[in-house]
Amino acid sequence: KAGVTQTPRYLIKTRGQQVTLSCSPISGHRSVSWYQQTPGQGLQFLFEYFSETQRNKGNFPGRFSGRQFSNSRSEMNVSTLELGDSALYLCASSNGGSQETQYFGPGTRLLVL
Amino acid sequence: QKEVEQDPGPLSVPEGAIVSLNCTYSNSAFQYFMWYRQYSRKGPELLMYTYSSGNKEDGRFTAQVDKSSKYISLFIRDSQPSDSATYLCAGGGSGAGSYQLTFGKGTKLSVIP
Repeated sequence: KAGVTQTPRYLIKTRGQQVTLSCSPISGHRSVSWYQQTPGQGLQFLFEYFSETQRNKGNFPGRFSGRQFSNSRSEMNVSTLELGDSALYLCASSNGGSQETQYFGPGTRLLVL
Repeated sequence: QKEVEQDPGPLSVPEGAIVSLNCTYSNSAFQYFMWYRQYSRKGPELLMYTYSSGNKEDGRFTAQVDKSSKYISLFIRDSQPSDSATYLCAGGGSGAGSYQLTFGKGTKLSVIP
């Protein structure tokens, strides 16, 4: 069974631009979560989607948004990029039950100049 | 104070040593705990998943949870150079049908041949 895939793997943007990242979960998984990983803050939860609905949201500004499609694929968008948004963005998928484990993709490394 | 605290290391041990990695947490609502291993430039990989207090063993890895003291540990026996990675602990669990993981910042481990 194929794992979680994320595209693109690397991205360079400039301040003020916006970016869209994509995540394809493991086949049959209906929950997709997004995390931001930085050396200073570690892994921080952004939001989680299940059956096209956002169920959980972390403490990030409204510039960070996401959506999930009927095939469970998910996208996250960051508008008006700031230098501090440079990070590894990780997507994780699970079956969606409250006790299910999450499986991570390889991440998208975003550099904002 | 972060909900999950983890010594960032780095930790260097000789091959064959027993490694002890530890985390403390403050959120009493956590119902389950996970250990992830993350190699450089890769996404986190699920190692162990524990729900209750006590020990759980899987090959060379043992996860230990003490809910009374809010302390979780991962022991690696007969450590190998391939175990060199960053180890992340995480707690989670709340609300039916949805959850998010709260991660420690990770401990970087080097196993020296």
